[in-house]
Amino acid sequence: GAGVSQSPSNKVTEKGKDVELRCDPISGHTALYWYRQSLGQGLEFLIYFQGNSAPDKSGLPSDRFSAERTGGSVSTLTIQRTQQEDSAVYLCASSLGQGKQYFGPGTRLTVT
Amino acid sequence: KNQVEQSPQSLIILEGKNCTLQCNYTVSPFSNLRWYKQDTGRGPVSLTIMTFSENTKSNGRYTATLDADTKQSSLHITASQLSDSASYICVVSAQSGAGSYQLTFGKGTKLSVIP
Repeated sequence: GAGVSQSPSNKVTEKGKDVELRCDPISGHTALYWYRQSLGQGLEFLIYFQGNSAPDKSGLPSDRFSAERTGGSVSTLTIQRTQQEDSAVYLCASSLGQGKQYFGPGTRLTVT
Repeated sequence: KNQVEQSPQSLIILEGKNCTLQCNYTVSPFSNLRWYKQDTGRGPVSLTIMTFSENTKSNGRYTATLDADTKQSSLHITASQLSDSASYICVVSAQSGAGSYQLTFGKGTKLSVIP
């Protein structure tokens, strides 16, 4: 069946520009997560949506980062005024409650 | 502060050999512990999930153990294959309220299996 998909797969942007990254979770999964993985680093939690509850934004590194999840399905991660340190692979995962997380292939963001 | 420490940071083993990766955590209140395998350039893939009451869980050649008293987990890989070369990530979940929880990720162990 269809897994978690993310788009674009690669994004190169100039410093100072805004970017939007999209995540399509597995249909029916109630939880959706965004992570960031910089080169050679571990996974860094950014934000998590669970059903209709308020999202857990505790991992967002600054107010330039925001995310929304429309209709309990698709999610968009927005980074405003991108900086070079934002360059990383952004991974999205979904799960049914606290069950196994299924990860998407990621979006590789490069800020020049 | 919730923390997950993994060791070793990297490991090189010969094909066919066994190896054990370690994960120590200080996460509370503990909910579950997961091991993921992440191939280079790919998203992580879940190997095992263990709750407080589970001491061991296997998935093919992968066997995870959990000692909730000492807050340690290990991932044992038997008869390693070249395709086992990847980063192995330990993730611990803590309950943070009614129906919500927080995940703490280790930095991973990079395993290289050589012929």
